[in-house]
Amino acid sequence: DGGITQSPKYLFRKEGQNVTLSCEQNLNHDAMYWYRQDPGQGLRLIYYSQIVNDFQKGDIAEGYSVSREKKESFPLTVTSAQKNPTAFYLCASSMKGGSNQPQHFGDGTRLSIL
Amino acid sequence: GDSVTQMEGPVTLSEEAFLTINCTYTATGYPSLFWYVQYPGEGLQLLLKATKADDKGSNKGFEATYRKETTSFHLEKGSVQVSDSAVYFCALGHIIQGAQKLVFGQGTRLTINP
Repeated sequence: DGGITQSPKYLFRKEGQNVTLSCEQNLNHDAMYWYRQDPGQGLRLIYYSQIVNDFQKGDIAEGYSVSREKKESFPLTVTSAQKNPTAFYLCASSMKGGSNQPQHFGDGTRLSIL
Repeated sequence: GDSVTQMEGPVTLSEEAFLTINCTYTATGYPSLFWYVQYPGEGLQLLLKATKADDKGSNKGFEATYRKETTSFHLEKGSVQVSDSAVYFCALGHIIQGAQKLVFGQGTRLTINP
């Protein structure tokens, strides 16, 4: 079945450590996105990418970095500069096109600080 | 900027009750509108969408109508089930600088009691 796979499901980070969250899709979608979800809040956009080797900052990019070397993959690195990284991280993808293209989501990675 | 406001949760209903979750939006232009559902520990799933004024999206007994005059997209279901317990997100999709951006409401937690 086509879909989006995020790994790991749970991740723990020590202070001062960078961690990388994986996101892979086999939907042949051009666009991919990373969101952060905090308890009781909606999703906030961290980074997005419309094509390979190109990406743009979202609303809360500080302390995060991404790469898009392959169409299928869009890993997110949470750097030590992100002072409050504990959250649920969701990856999504969509076809290119108009605003009516829905985004398809993975099952998320929950990141916690040790 | 664009924004989405949902009714405050949590909402608790008995099985077979009628459900309404209010959603209003502020946006320039003509966004598409979406409802997503999130079950515990999972990512978001598209529930329904509407792409232009007066469109009605429907799925699994849920419905929502794109009302441009009242800038609303209220979610309704005639008879809820215990399995409908989840968090529901209203979102608008817009093209900004060539990229699709989703703006989410804060989510409404729904609990259905048997």
